[in-house]
Amino acid sequence: GENVEQHPSTLSVQEGDSAVIKCTYSDSASNYFPWYKQELGKRPQLIIDIRSNVGEKKDQRIAVTLNKTAKHFSLHITETQPEDSAVYFCAPNNNAGNMLTFGGGTRLMVKP
Amino acid sequence: GAGVSQSPSNKVTEKGKDVELRCDPISGHTALYWYRQRLGQGLEFLIYFQGNSAPDKSGLPSDRFSAERTGESVSTLTIQRTQQEDSAVYLCASSLAVTRSGNTIYFGEGSWLTVV
Repeated sequence: GENVEQHPSTLSVQEGDSAVIKCTYSDSASNYFPWYKQELGKRPQLIIDIRSNVGEKKDQRIAVTLNKTAKHFSLHITETQPEDSAVYFCAPNNNAGNMLTFGGGTRLMVKP
Repeated sequence: GAGVSQSPSNKVTEKGKDVELRCDPISGHTALYWYRQRLGQGLEFLIYFQGNSAPDKSGLPSDRFSAERTGESVSTLTIQRTQQEDSAVYLCASSLAVTRSGNTIYFGEGSWLTVV
């Protein structure tokens, strides 16, 4: 199965600063790379994803970059706001119909 | 409904009792997942159903845990002889069949289980 690791496990930033979370994976066949956000007491929800034919994707203040050679992809949040405080999970997969393995999660705290 | 529906949303049970948790996936989603999330922890895979294929049960922590799914519809997760360490949120998720566009999964609100 896929081995997925996230770093850091916790991240504290000042409002307005940038945050970067990295996800490394083991399956070279992975071709879909989503990030999920889970606010306290809520369900995880997809916030951005990228496919293997693209190196970077941006959506307003969030972006995801992919390095397939090194088998990692990263979530970038610029101009962080308190509402960005949440746990973020990555879940790289290969669309082969296998179960999804999530990273261990990164708890982001944005201090006002 | 429009999203993944889970019931009950909250369940308090006595140690040793059996519980049944229900998940109603998004219509048309052939893949269905159960995850367990303990307080402040990550998403622990339990079981995965994909269409009519044999389910992937590799994440079930013990033989007290079982799950069923009828066709491509409702799934139930059963925990027998509950223990205090079973206390957690049980999240169900579903997705479309494997496609080129990516395997985005949609989570339900979860069933919060407390074993006392």
